Parts: sequence; C-alpha cells; structure tokens
Amino acid sequence: GNSVTQMEGPVTLSEEAFLTINCTYTATGYPSLFWYVQYPGEGLQLLLKATKADDKGSNKGFEATYRKETTSFHLEKGSVQVSDSAVYFCALVSGNTPLVFGKGTRLSVIA
Amino acid sequence: NAGVTQTPKFQVLKTGQSMTLQCAQDMNHEYMSWYRQDPGMGLRLIHYSVGAGITDQGEVPNGYNVSRSTTEDFPLRLLSAAPSQTSVYFCASRGQSKETQYFGPGTRLLVL
Repeated sequence: GNSVTQMEGPVTLSEEAFLTINCTYTATGYPSLFWYVQYPGEGLQLLLKATKADDKGSNKGFEATYRKETTSFHLEKGSVQVSDSAVYFCALVSGNTPLVFGKGTRLSVIA
Repeated sequence: NAGVTQTPKFQVLKTGQSMTLQCAQDMNHEYMSWYRQDPGMGLRLIHYSVGAGITDQGEVPNGYNVSRSTTEDFPLRLLSAAPSQTSVYFCASRGQSKETQYFGPGTRLLVL
C-alpha cells in the first residue's frame, strides 16, 4: 500500500538557518505529493504540492522537488523565521485513495 | 466559499454518551474524510467517502459511524464515547482524485 516516511523531530533551528525535512514515499501508480503545515492550535493548511515527477512546488520560501528516481519529496527553506515554527506533514495521494500522511515533524525556530 | 466547516469546536462528553460531529463543505467535492490527531501519532484516517451514498473504513474505524446522504455533509457519530476517543478530529474534502485536500478547523473532544 501507499506510505510516507518523514524524518522524526523535533527539529530546532536558529533564525536564518537552512531547513531540510526529509520525506520518502512508497506508492502505486503516479501519486501527487504534498506538504501541509499546522501552526499551533490550528488545522492543517496546504504549503505546497507537486503532481508529477521533476515538478517543484514552492510557497512562502519553501520548496520541494518530486524525485521519482529516489521516491523523495524533501522540504527545504533557505532561511527560516520564528514564524515558521509549526508541525510539517508530508502526504501523498494516488488514484482515488485516501490521502496518506507521514507522522509529522515539529519545527521550532529560535531567535 | 466557507470551505470546510466543523461543529462544534470543542466538546466534553462523559463515558458512554453519544454525539455527532458535523462536517460540511461548499466546494461540491466528492471526496470527504475524517481523521483524528493524537500527540505523537500524526493523523489517522477514521472513515472516508468517495461520493454520496458511499462510505468506507479507514485505519481506526472502531467506535465511529458515518453516513453520506448529501455531497455537502459528512457527519461522524460516536456511538458510546470512551476516554480513548479523546482527540482532535479533522474533516477534509477534495475534488478529483489527486487534487488538494482541504481541512476543517477541527473539533477538540474530551471524554471523561
């Protein structure tokens, strides 16, 4: 079946540091890949997505590239801010199946 | 568009009580689902529906019922609440098979 594995947290970084959160997947067919973000006390909101191999999703300075050869969709940001502190979820959907999530990675950015 | 709405925002129940968590969407999405979120467990799928009249079980369906009589609404029923059902519940919807899934704001449930 479909599955997503993302790096365990928590991740603590200083402001302006470089962020990478690793995500790898297993899926049948040609999945779409997503990163969702959950700020404290809130629901999940879409951060970025990619629907086919080699696509790059980007939003708010975050980027992730759909790598079919390594089945990966790592999240990166060049310079994090305190306001980026949140939980980040990697997810995939393939065909008419439920969205499958990774367990989430908590990011804390300190000033 | 209001998107995905959930009511109530917060609920306290006693063990054995029943209740319904409401979820509605105004985007004409066919696909709707319910998740629960527990600390350290990520999101776990309870039930989902691919269209009106069609529902299926997810990863953790026990103790919950759903129905989908209209495209807009997808209520989640707790038949006899247990402390293990204390959690935050999220409803979500999406259009075609690989489109973005949108989430409601969540319902925080405490079972005493």
